[in-house]
Amino acid sequence: AQSVTQLDSHVSVSEGTPVLLRCNYSSSYSPSLFWYVQHPNKGLQLLLKYTSAATLVKGINGFEAEFKKSETSFHLTKPSAHMSDAAEYFCVVSVGGNEKLTFGTGTRLTIIP
Amino acid sequence: GAVVSQHPSWVICKSGTSVKIECRSLDFQATTMFWYRQFPKQSLMLMATSNEGSKATYEQGVEKDKFLINHASLTLSTLTVTSAHPEDSSFYICSASRPAISGNEQFFGPGTRLTVL
Repeated sequence: AQSVTQLDSHVSVSEGTPVLLRCNYSSSYSPSLFWYVQHPNKGLQLLLKYTSAATLVKGINGFEAEFKKSETSFHLTKPSAHMSDAAEYFCVVSVGGNEKLTFGTGTRLTIIP
Repeated sequence: GAVVSQHPSWVICKSGTSVKIECRSLDFQATTMFWYRQFPKQSLMLMATSNEGSKATYEQGVEKDKFLINHASLTLSTLTVTSAHPEDSSFYICSASRPAISGNEQFFGPGTRLTVL
């Protein structure tokens, strides 16, 4: 079985400060891990994905995530938050060749002007 | 590339009626499409997986007779909510994959908000 746990349901940061959204995963096999962002009334957009290549993954809009097997973590970071980053973020896992995605419960990111 | 559309974007219907939601892959052929349901401020829950030309595979607890899925072509899947009731009100999201190009990445539609009165 596979699962992801997003440790914070809501994160607030000031504009221009770093962003850290935490995600831990559980899987019996080598996982593929994704971060998706959902803006209000919009579809989910892929920020980045890890598929067993480089452990530090760079995504769109300045986001990056590091796969740490020893900690079973895949935290999402950004050096400097922008107002447009305010959205819901989902950490997602799939295992092996299985196309099924398992979503975390989401983290709502609020940016304080 | 890899754009997925859904129609309608929102729909309001009376209790007992049926509603059809379309999911289209606009610029690629999708061998597999997925249907998710998202309750307010909650995560996405996979309802079913559909492969073109075959019956959909439903997740445990999802009534296949209530949520009819048809994947008649490589670019179109439909979800029909039959005899809708207020508890079926939700945000329904589809996605599509193209494994030969993007592995297990899924491309999501913008969602359809269903309100049953």
